[in-house]
Amino acid sequence: SFELIQPPSVSVSPGQTASITCSGDNLGNKYVAWYQQKPGQSPILVLYLDRKRPSGIPERFSGSNSGNTATLTIRGTQAMDEADFYCQAWDSTTGVFGGGTKLTVL
Amino acid sequence: QVQLVQSGPEVKKPGSSVKVSCKASGGTFSNYGIAWVRQAPGQGLEWVGGDLPLFGSPSYAQKFRGRVTITADESTNTGYMELSSLRYGDTAVYYCARPALRNTSDFDYWGQGTLVTVSS
Repeated sequence: SFELIQPPSVSVSPGQTASITCSGDNLGNKYVAWYQQKPGQSPILVLYLDRKRPSGIPERFSGSNSGNTATLTIRGTQAMDEADFYCQAWDSTTGVFGGGTKLTVL
Repeated sequence: QVQLVQSGPEVKKPGSSVKVSCKASGGTFSNYGIAWVRQAPGQGLEWVGGDLPLFGSPSYAQKFRGRVTITADESTNTGYMELSSLRYGDTAVYYCARPALRNTSDFDYWGQGTLVTVSS
């Protein structure tokens, strides 16, 4: 079955660039969405169609998707960006989430 | 602004069923669709299933097929997820989610989550 693999954790210093990867077979042939979830809250869509930002999402969030890897990049990371991030793609009509990456800003 | 308001927490015995509701303000589920995602304590997001116009018919994750049913009542603009033959491993927060645009599959709107606890 189709799986998405994310690193369990990523650490970044404030103001620096954080990159979170999401790997899957031929993932570049699918569209990827990214969700941010803070403790005790519902997920929020931060990127869709690989690289598009919904209204209200800061420009420091960007994305790419090629080959077997999609990447969420956060430039000028802020303390408020500390959260769990999940990639999501579609295996036909079934949604698939990555295991999630805990982003720590320290 | 679209809001999804879910029903309250549930405590169920193993082998029983649970039906969680999700009432939407603004836009009907027939136009935009609905999906259900769960999150076990301390774990990641897990796709349960969805009914999106983009795909034409309901679809369910393989591990839930035969146990889960996703429906919607257009008269009240409320979506439902019913999960049967509950097991201890079904203890989780269940979220409903909906796209902002028709015929899309990205979830802009999420409910607040409903905790379902399976306990004897």
